[in-house]
Amino acid sequence: AQTVTQSQPEMSVQEAETVTLSCTYDTSESDYYLFWYKQPPSRQMILVIRQEAYKQQNATENRFSVNFQKAAKSFSLKISDSQLGDAAMYFCALRGGGNEKLTFGTGTRLTIIP
Amino acid sequence: EAGVAQSPRYKIIEKRQSVAFWCNPISGHATLYWYQQILGQGPKLLIQFQNNGVVDDSQLPKDRFSAERLKGVDSTLKIQPAKLEDSAVYLCASSLDYTASGNTIYFGEGSWLTVV
Repeated sequence: AQTVTQSQPEMSVQEAETVTLSCTYDTSESDYYLFWYKQPPSRQMILVIRQEAYKQQNATENRFSVNFQKAAKSFSLKISDSQLGDAAMYFCALRGGGNEKLTFGTGTRLTIIP
Repeated sequence: EAGVAQSPRYKIIEKRQSVAFWCNPISGHATLYWYQQILGQGPKLLIQFQNNGVVDDSQLPKDRFSAERLKGVDSTLKIQPAKLEDSAVYLCASSLDYTASGNTIYFGEGSWLTVV
């Protein structure tokens, strides 16, 4: 079985500052994929960034980057130059390489302070 | 490219009534998923289809929930009879092929269900 834990129910950051959202996971698979999804009030899950476990290099997408620590089973999301439009629920998710289903954490609500 | 389409967006029903949600995945996507997201929680997979076959329905409450994808394209999720605890957002998602675990899963905007 695979699990995903997000220990920060809520986070807030000043506009233009940097914030890091935490995620830890557990899986018995050696090949797996990690994702961060953003869910605005409209409730649509929007993919922010993904990381293949076999890649040592941390993924980046514009202002979004991850810190992937495979040995520690940690996968944090860093948002630089935070913008008002970044306010949303953020979900960390894991999918095992053995066709495991996508498993989500409980989410972190991010508030941007103008 | 059109995204995952869902309807209706919002539905309010009384307990013991029935409701149906429809989903049209991204064109060419073989795998279709239905997730249930209760307020304050992450989405939970209810059922997964590969073309018109069921891959995983282990978390689907089969006494009241049913789903089908008869022609391997669009899908319908039905709840009958509804209970108060079924109040949730029902998210449909699709991916090219679930056997390639790296394929991204794309989500629709969801169908909000309130059972009163």
